[in-house]
Parts: sequence; C-alpha cells; structure tokens
Amino acid sequence: GENVEQHPSTLSVQEGDSAVIKCTYSDSASNYFPWYKQELGKRPQLIIDIRSNVGEKKDQRIAVTLNKTAKHFSLHITETQPEDSAVYFCAASENTGFQKLVFGTGTRLLVSP
Amino acid sequence: DTEVTQTPKHLVMGMTNKKSLKCEQHMGHRAMYWYKQKAKKPPELMFVYSYEKLSINESVPSRFSPECPNSSLLNLHLHALQPEDSALYLCASGSPGQGADTQYFGPGTRLTVL
Repeated sequence: GENVEQHPSTLSVQEGDSAVIKCTYSDSASNYFPWYKQELGKRPQLIIDIRSNVGEKKDQRIAVTLNKTAKHFSLHITETQPEDSAVYFCAASENTGFQKLVFGTGTRLLVSP
Repeated sequence: DTEVTQTPKHLVMGMTNKKSLKCEQHMGHRAMYWYKQKAKKPPELMFVYSYEKLSINESVPSRFSPECPNSSLLNLHLHALQPEDSALYLCASGSPGQGADTQYFGPGTRLTVL
C-alpha cells in the first residue's frame, strides 16, 4: 500500500519568512495530493491540493509543487504570519476509486512574531 | 450547506457503555468516512461508505460498528470500548468515482473511555 513520509516534524520560522514542508510517497499510481492544516482542537482543513497532471499550483501565499518522477511534493508558505501556526498534514490518494487518503506524519509549524 | 457536522463534541463513556457518534453532511457527497486521530498523530482511516454501502473496513475491531442510514448520515456505534480507544473521531465526506476528490472533515468527537 501507499506510504507517505513528511519532513520536518517541526519547523520554527519568524513572521514574514517562508516555510517549506516536504513529502514523499511510494505508490506511483497515487494521483491526488491534498494538504490539510489542523489547529489545536480543530478539524483538518484543506488548504490546497494538486492532481498528478499538474506540476505546481498557487493560492495567494500558499503553493504546492509535485515531482511525479521523484515521487515527492512540497508545500510552500510565503510571508508567514502567526495565524499560520498549526500542524500541517500532507496526504496521497491511492487510486482505488474511494479516495483512500494516506496521511504523512505531520509538521508542526510555529511562526513567531 | 458546505459543512460536515458531528455530534456530540465530547463523549465520556465507561467500558461497559453503548454509545453512538453521529455525522451529517448536506453537500450531496456519496462517500463518507470515519477516521480516528490520536494526539500528535495523523488521522487513520477506519471505514469508508460509498453510495451507502460499506466499501472499506480497515480491520477495525468489532466493538466499532458503522452504519449509514442514508446518503446524508453516518453513525458509529460504540460498545465495550477500551481506554486505548480514547481519541478524536473524525467524519469526512467526498465524492467517489471522480478521480480522487476532496474530503471535507467534520469537527470531530473527542471520546474518552474510562
């Protein structure tokens, strides 16, 4: 089955800096890669996703890149703000038709003012 | 309505109790999911319902019993749980068969088993 690795486990940045979180996946048949943000005590919220037919996607300060050959994808947050502090999970969808998401282990991002 | 709702928000139960968690969505999604999330860990898939039929059971113990009464509702019946079952239980919904669509999560039920 699919296996997703995520690094780093914790990331501390100063407000205004950029943050990059990296994930690798094992199943070349995976074709959907969402990123979720989870604040303490809250639900995971989708912040951006990318499909395997696209190499990059941007939404304001957030971007995701996908390298299918290397089987890795990354989340880039520019001009970080304290409210970006949360745990971020990457995920990959096994191509089963039921969108079975396999999550990475999570990255705790701390943005200091 | 673009939200998945879950009740109750918190639940404390003894090992001999029977309780149920409820999930509802009105986005027309035909796939619904139960996940279990322990502290500082990612969500772990438990069950998937697609078009109201159980499609995936990730080898979950029988003390957890899912039910999908209709396309908008998903229940998780709990019986004879163990303290290690204490966790955040998340429901999600999505649209199957469309090339891997987004899953939307509910706020979760925080379960404590005494």
